[in-house]
Amino acid sequence: AQSVTQLDSQVPVFEEAPVELRCNYSSSVSVYLFWYVQYPNQGLQLLLKYLSGSTLVESINGFEAEFNKSQTSFHLRKPSVHISDTAEYFCAVSSPNDYKLSFGAGTTVTVRA
Amino acid sequence: NAGVTQTPKFRVLKTGQSMTLLCAQDMNHEYMYWYRQDPGMGLRLIHYSVGEGTTAKGEVPDGYNVSRLKKQNFLLGLESAAPSQTSVYFCASRTTSGWAQYFGPGTRLTVL
Repeated sequence: AQSVTQLDSQVPVFEEAPVELRCNYSSSVSVYLFWYVQYPNQGLQLLLKYLSGSTLVESINGFEAEFNKSQTSFHLRKPSVHISDTAEYFCAVSSPNDYKLSFGAGTTVTVRA
Repeated sequence: NAGVTQTPKFRVLKTGQSMTLLCAQDMNHEYMYWYRQDPGMGLRLIHYSVGEGTTAKGEVPDGYNVSRLKKQNFLLGLESAAPSQTSVYFCASRTTSGWAQYFGPGTRLTVL
């Protein structure tokens, strides 16, 4: 089974500053990678996904993540955060023949004015 | 189109009581999942189903049972609740080829 490590449990950041959330996964022949966001007292929402093709994937609200096979990483970045980006972010991984997702422990992003 | 819904939203049980959590989806998804979320541990898979009438164990199945009698519903049961089952429970579903899972709003369960 795949495993996922999110290297930072808490990331405080000032509004309009950049942010990077780090995610590493255990190696496999091929993987599918996801970032989910959870706003306070809500369920998880899909932020972006990598299935194949371009290694740089983007979301509609300015986040991007890059699949790096050699480093088994899928870090999430945003060049300028807003107060509304305060949330918990989860990295998840699956494989083509696996029905399941494996989640990291989560990174809490707190954006301050 | 309500997506994935969960009933109830909150529940408090005493040790030894039983209850059933209901998950419903109106997206005609084949696969459904039950997770629990605990601080610092991310989401852990309890049970899942790849179609009506089928269920399988996930990472932390002990103390839970599930049933999928109808394609749109996935029930999670606790036969004899324990304080260790205090958690937030999430249901999710997906298509056979879509890979991304869609989550419900969660059920916050406290076992005293």
